[in-house]
This record gives sequence, structure tokens and C-alpha cells, in this order.
Amino acid sequence: AQSVTQLGSHVSVSEGALVLLRCNYSSSVPPYLFWYVQYPNQGLQLLLKYTSAATLVKGINGFEAEFKKSETSFHLTKPSAHMSDAAEYFCAVSSYGGATNKLIFGTGTLLAVQP
Amino acid sequence: DAMVIQNPRYQVTQFGKPVTLSCSQTLNHNVMYWYQQKSSQAPKLLFHYYDKDFNNEADTPDNFQSRRPNTSFCFLDIRSPGLGDAAMYLCATQKTGTAKIYGYTFGSGTRLTVV
Repeated sequence: AQSVTQLGSHVSVSEGALVLLRCNYSSSVPPYLFWYVQYPNQGLQLLLKYTSAATLVKGINGFEAEFKKSETSFHLTKPSAHMSDAAEYFCAVSSYGGATNKLIFGTGTLLAVQP
Repeated sequence: DAMVIQNPRYQVTQFGKPVTLSCSQTLNHNVMYWYQQKSSQAPKLLFHYYDKDFNNEADTPDNFQSRRPNTSFCFLDIRSPGLGDAAMYLCATQKTGTAKIYGYTFGSGTRLTVV
């Protein structure tokens, strides 16, 4: 079975500081990994995805993530936090196993950005 | 723009009174998913349609049903809502076999309150 674990349910950074949100995955097959962002009372918006191409993935809003197979990790980073980055972030894993692909989500990390 | 639209955004229903949430899409995606997201938790898959084929998750309560009359629309019916069913309900779509590239497209969600 596949799963993802997000370390830290709450992360607080100062505006302009580095953002690091941690995600570790478990998968018996090569995984497809995703990061989604959710603003209050909104749906989920795709930030970036890893699909077995380049291990360093760049996404929207200046975010990027690096796939490290040896560490089973897919941490999300952003060099300089913006107030507008305050939201909840979900890591998710999927496998390509036929016609449909279920996304399994982590429990989320709520990012607060302090002025 | 092509998108996934959920109506209504906010729904208040009485304990035990049937309620229907709707999702429509202009993406012509053949897979549609319903997720339940309780406060501060990860989205949990309830069921999905692959074209007209309905696929229920093993732990989805019988109280939850779904209908997909055509490609564009999908409905979530809660036959007898309980207080524990208060949550955000997210609809998502996917084009077959592209999850590894595009992931899912999510609607903005319906926030259900049970009184």
C-alpha cells in the first residue's frame, strides 16, 4: 500500500525566510508524487508533480521539490516566503495502476507566514 | 475557462434530511472523484466513477451514494446526514491515464454543515 507522511502539522516562518515542508513516501512501485495547496474554504490547487522525469521539480509560485529515492522523500521548498503563501499544503502519492489512479494524501501542513 | 464547478459552495442541512451536492465539469474528463475532508484532516476518497462505472471505497458508509447521469455531471447524495458528516466535500476529475502528468483537477468544494 502507498502512503505519505508529512512531518509537522504546523510550520511558521517569517516573511522572506526559507520555507521547508517535509514529505516522506512509502510505495512498493515507482511513485508519482504531488504537492497541493489549499486556501481556506477552497479546493486543492496543484503546485507541482514528480512523474519520474527530473528529480528536481519546479512548480508554481516559486515552489520546488526534490525527489530523493534513497531517503524516500519529496520535500517542498521555497527560498523566500510571502504572506500570500499562508495556506495548507498536502503531499500526495499515486500509482499508475490501470485506468484510474487514486491519490493518497498526507495529513497536511498548515503554513503560517509572520510579517 | 474549462473547470470543475461545485454547487453550492456552502450547504446547511438538517440532521437526517437528505441532501445532494453537485459537481459539473467542462474538461470532458472521464473519471470523477468525490472526497470528504473533515476539519484539519486530509481528503478521504469516498468513491469514483470511471465513465459510468461506479467504484466505492470499502469504508464509505452506505449513507453516501452517487449518481453520474452524463460525463459532465456527478452528484453526491447523503441519505440521512449526521453531525459527523459535516465536512468539506471535494469533487475532482481526471483524464484516464494522465494522473502521472496532470494529477487531478479539483473543484472549490462544498462546505456542508449539519444542524
